[in-house]
Amino acid sequence: GENVEQHPSTLSVQEGDSAVIKCTYSDSASNYFPWYKQELGKRPQLIIDIRSNVGEKKDQRIAVTLNKTAKHFSLHITETQPEDSAVYFCAASEAGGGADGLTFGKGTHLIIQP
Amino acid sequence: DVKVTQSSRYLVKRTGEKVFLECVQDMDHENMFWYRQDPGLGLRLIYFSYDVKMKEKGDIPEGYSVSREKKERFSLILESASTNQTSMYLCATGDSANSPLHFGNGTRLTVT
Repeated sequence: GENVEQHPSTLSVQEGDSAVIKCTYSDSASNYFPWYKQELGKRPQLIIDIRSNVGEKKDQRIAVTLNKTAKHFSLHITETQPEDSAVYFCAASEAGGGADGLTFGKGTHLIIQP
Repeated sequence: DVKVTQSSRYLVKRTGEKVFLECVQDMDHENMFWYRQDPGLGLRLIYFSYDVKMKEKGDIPEGYSVSREKKERFSLILESASTNQTSMYLCATGDSANSPLHFGNGTRLTVT
């Protein structure tokens, strides 16, 4: 089955700086790579996703890059703000979205220092 | 907006009890999933279902079973609860490859 590794487990950055979280996956059949954000006491929510036919995707301050050859993908957050503090999970699946179960990484606790 | 409702936010049960965790969705989604979330371990898939009366094992099905008698409802069953099943349980639903997973708020289960 799929195995997703995520690093680092904790990331502390100064407000306004950039944050990068990295994930690797094992199954070359995976084609869908979402990122979920979970604030304290709340449900995980999708913030951005990418499919294997795309190398990069941006949404305002958030971007995701994918290197299918190397089997790794990354989340980039620029100009970090206090509300970016949360746990972030990467995931992978073959079909994507709500079609099959996602395999998640172990999460990164992002701390934005004022 | 998709609504995924888990019947209990917090549950405390004793070792050996039979425990039912209920999840109801209002969007007519075909697919429903149960995940378990533990600190440092992320979210791990327990069971999922693509249709009524269908179920598939996820990555950690041992000690659990599921029931899907109606499309909108997916139940997770702990036949004999054990302390190592103390965890946060998250239900999720999805419709197709072009739509994201939608999560419920979670049930924090403590087994004493």
